[in-house]
Amino acid sequence: DVKVTQSSRYLVKRTGEKVFLECVQDMDHENMFWYRQDPGLGLRLIYFSYDVKMKEKGDIPEGYSVSREKKERFSLILESASTNQTSMYLCASSLWGQGLYTEAFFGQGTRLTVV
Amino acid sequence: KQEVTQIPAALSVPEGENLVLNCSFTDSAIYNLQWFRQDPGKGLTSLLLIQSSQREQTSGRLNASLDKSSGRSTLYIAASQPGDSATYLCAVIKTGTASKLTFGTGTRLQVTL
Repeated sequence: DVKVTQSSRYLVKRTGEKVFLECVQDMDHENMFWYRQDPGLGLRLIYFSYDVKMKEKGDIPEGYSVSREKKERFSLILESASTNQTSMYLCASSLWGQGLYTEAFFGQGTRLTVV
Repeated sequence: KQEVTQIPAALSVPEGENLVLNCSFTDSAIYNLQWFRQDPGKGLTSLLLIQSSQREQTSGRLNASLDKSSGRSTLYIAASQPGDSATYLCAVIKTGTASKLTFGTGTRLQVTL
C-alpha cells in the first residue's frame, strides 16, 4: 500500500515561530503537494514539487516555503507563523508515468494551531 | 480557471438506500477525475480514479462515471451503510497543470440507522 506519512497529527506553535511540517512517501512518486484545508474554503494548493529540488507555487504560497532535497521527503516551512495560518495541512503524492497521471494519495493531515 | 462544484453540500439518508453524489467542472480539458472520502479530522482516502479516456470505474459498492463533454461526474453508492458517513470530495487534474488537483467543496453524507 502507498503510504504518505506526515510527521505530526497536531501542532501548537506561537506567533512568529518558524514551523516545519514534514511529509514522507514510500512509493517513489515524482509529484508531491502541500494543501491547506479550511471550513468553507475547501482544499487549496500551497506548493507542489515534481522532482527533487524542483518546486512550483500553488494558489496560496504567501507566507510559506518548501524544500525537497530527497525524492521521498517534502517539507513545508512557515517562515514566521501567524494566526491566520491555523489550519489543517495535507500532504499528497502522485506518480506521472506512461503519459498518465495516477492516483494521488494523501497523508493523515496535520492540525496546526498558531497562538 | 477550473471550478469544481459538488451538489448537494449535505445529504442524510437511511441505511440501505442507493444514492448519487454529483460533481461538475467548468473546463472539460481534464486528464482525470478522482473521488475521495474524508472522515472528520482525518486525511483523504482515495476511492476511485477515472482517466479522461474512461467513462466509469467501479470498486465494490461504488461506481463513478465521467462525462467530460458535459463537465460532470457522479459517484453512485449502493446499499448505503452507517460506515459510509463521511465527506466525499471530487478533484480534477486539468490538462497542462502538471498534475495539480482542483477540488470541489465536498458533500457531507450521513447514513442513519
